[in-house]
Amino acid sequence: GQQVMQIPQYQHVQEGEDFTTYCNSSTTLSNIQWYKQRPGGHPVFLIQLVKSGEVKKQKRLTFQFGEAKKNSSLHITATQTTDVGTYFCGASGGNEKLTFGTGTRLTIIP
Amino acid sequence: DTAVSQTPKYLVTQMGNDKSIKCEQNLGHDTMYWYKQDSKKFLKIMFSYNNKELIINETVPNRFSPKSPDKAHLNLHINSLELGDSAVYFCASSPRLRGARLGGYTFGSGTRLTVV
Repeated sequence: GQQVMQIPQYQHVQEGEDFTTYCNSSTTLSNIQWYKQRPGGHPVFLIQLVKSGEVKKQKRLTFQFGEAKKNSSLHITATQTTDVGTYFCGASGGNEKLTFGTGTRLTIIP
Repeated sequence: DTAVSQTPKYLVTQMGNDKSIKCEQNLGHDTMYWYKQDSKKFLKIMFSYNNKELIINETVPNRFSPKSPDKAHLNLHINSLELGDSAVYFCASSPRLRGARLGGYTFGSGTRLTVV
């Protein structure tokens, strides 16, 4: 089945530093989604990427989809304490389901 | 006005018992899911329903039986609970976009199941 690897597993950054998480698939993807899960909460949809090489921004968050549609990244500029949580990518090879990455747990050192 | 609501939020039960978790969405989405999140936060799909029809069953033990009475509801019944079933169970729903592509998932707040 489809495998989705996400790195790093954990990331501790000083407040104000940048943060990036990477998602890699063994197969070409139809689309990729990103989610944020706060501690004790549930995953919340952030964005969906569909096109090869696509780049989308949401305030301090920048999402990229690789040219080969096998990888994606989420970059946060100047992290804030509200960015704490686990970030998941969800990869879809077709139309039936998302396979979630292993997640990157972000902690912020004030 | 909760979009995807799950009940109960917490469930503590003894091994061997049978329990159910209920899920309802008011978003008008066609597709609903059950995901299991273990202690390492890994999200694994269990089942997917589209318009009341089962479309994904991911090698889940047959002690787990989903039921979808209509497209707004997807319940999960678990027989003969085992210690390894302890986890957080999330219900989710998603719309179908142009070209039948899945849209973003809306998750419920989760049910934390503890089997003792």
